[in-house]
Amino acid sequence: DAKTTQPPSMDCAEGRAANLPCNHSTISGNEYVYWYRQIHSQGPQYIIHGLKNNETNEMASLIITEDRKSSTLILPHATLRDTAVYYCIVRTDKLIFGTGTRLQVFP
Amino acid sequence: EPEVTQTPSHQVTQMGQEVILRCVPISNHLYFYWYRQILGQKVEFLVSFYNNEISEKSEIFDDQFSVERPDGSNFTLKIRSTKLEDSAMYFCASTLWGYPGRTGINTGELFFGEGSRLTVL
Repeated sequence: DAKTTQPPSMDCAEGRAANLPCNHSTISGNEYVYWYRQIHSQGPQYIIHGLKNNETNEMASLIITEDRKSSTLILPHATLRDTAVYYCIVRTDKLIFGTGTRLQVFP
Repeated sequence: EPEVTQTPSHQVTQMGQEVILRCVPISNHLYFYWYRQILGQKVEFLVSFYNNEISEKSEIFDDQFSVERPDGSNFTLKIRSTKLEDSAMYFCASTLWGYPGRTGINTGELFFGEGSRLTVL
C-alpha cells in the first residue's frame, strides 16, 4: 500500500480555515485518496475522497496536486467540534490508518 | 440516516473467556470489516468479509478470531479465548461496493460503527 505522511499535530483558530497537508509520493494511478477523522475514541468518520480532481462536499474540500503526490484537506470554517485526529489514506482495498494529524481548534 | 450499530458498547471479560461482538451493518451493504484500536494506538485492520467469506485478514486475525454473518443482518466477531492484549476498541464497518478501483465505480466511504470496548482482566 502507498504510504502517507502527515504532520503529527496542527492548531487552528475557530472560524478560520484549517488546511491539513498530506504527502503520498508513491501513489499509483488507480489509488484514491481518502480522508477520515476520529473524534476522541469514536468510530472513524468519512470526510471526503478523490482520485485526480479537486472535490468539495458539505464538510470539506480536497485539493490534489496535478502529479497526485500530495493533497490538502480544507475545512473552510473550523469549529471547536472539528477537533479530532485526521487521517489521510491512500486506498487500494481496505483502509489502512496511519497516525494522522491531531487538529486542535481553539477559541 | 442509516448507520452501523454495534453491541455491546462495553464488555468486561476474564482472560480465557469467549467473547462475541455484534454488528448490524447498513442494510444494503455488501462488504464488511472489523478493525480494532488499542488505547492510544492506531486503528488496525483485522478482517474483510464479502459474499459470506473472508476476503482478507491481517496478521492480527489469528485462529482465535472468527467472523460470521449468521442471519443476513448481523455480522459478528468472535474471540475464542481472550488474552489481556485483546483489550481494545473494536470497530465494525460496511460499504456498498467495496474498493472503487476494482469495480470502476466511484463509490464512496466505509461507514463505521461507534465501537465496542473490550476489557480483558
